Amino acid sequence: DAGITQSPRYKITETGRQVTLMCHQTWSHSYMFWYRQDLGHGLRLIYYSAAADITDKGEVPDGYVVSRSKTENFPLTLESATRSQTSVYFCASRGEGITSGELFFGEGSRLTVL
Amino acid sequence: AQRVTQPEKLLSVFKGAPVELKCNYSYSGSPELFWYVQYSRQRLQLLLRHISRESIKGFTADLNKGETSFHLKKPFAQEEDSAMYYCALGMPDSWGKFQFGAGTQVVVTP
Repeated sequence: DAGITQSPRYKITETGRQVTLMCHQTWSHSYMFWYRQDLGHGLRLIYYSAAADITDKGEVPDGYVVSRSKTENFPLTLESATRSQTSVYFCASRGEGITSGELFFGEGSRLTVL
Repeated sequence: AQRVTQPEKLLSVFKGAPVELKCNYSYSGSPELFWYVQYSRQRLQLLLRHISRESIKGFTADLNKGETSFHLKKPFAQEEDSAMYYCALGMPDSWGKFQFGAGTQVVVTP
């Protein structure tokens, strides 16, 4: 399917475990982003990437790691999950050409850390 | 530092009534402003961008640089407008990042 997909859609894990959320886009957009969505805080940027092998921290990067070995994939890893990382995570890519400036979002990954 | 403020967490309006969602921003560069919407169980999607100056689903938004605002308006709310709305600031001179507001939940009751 064309577009941006996230997996898993739902995940329950325990404190201290490592979790990886996957993000895949079919457009070959250069810019990709990871946001977390929390009530009262809206969407906060965790990490972003301008291209393969180019990543940088956003507003709330602590406890997260990203990689981007291929343009189409941008996985987000929680190295040792904490309860404060219970959230809904959204991956997005930034449009180019006529859709320049528009963010395209995945469906979200709802993570619960027990 | 850049900032996006949506003062209302929840707006409850009756069908047919006007609705206005407030958004104020602070940014030293040349801003790009957007409204994104998230309907129940759907992904976030673009509703409006300031440069297009168009009306989508009856919504309009005007960028007021003097007041640093980008309020979203609709003269007659419909039940299908019930959703979460996010104002977003695009920062083209900052790696193309976006700053989002906290969001406003709109509930339209018949």
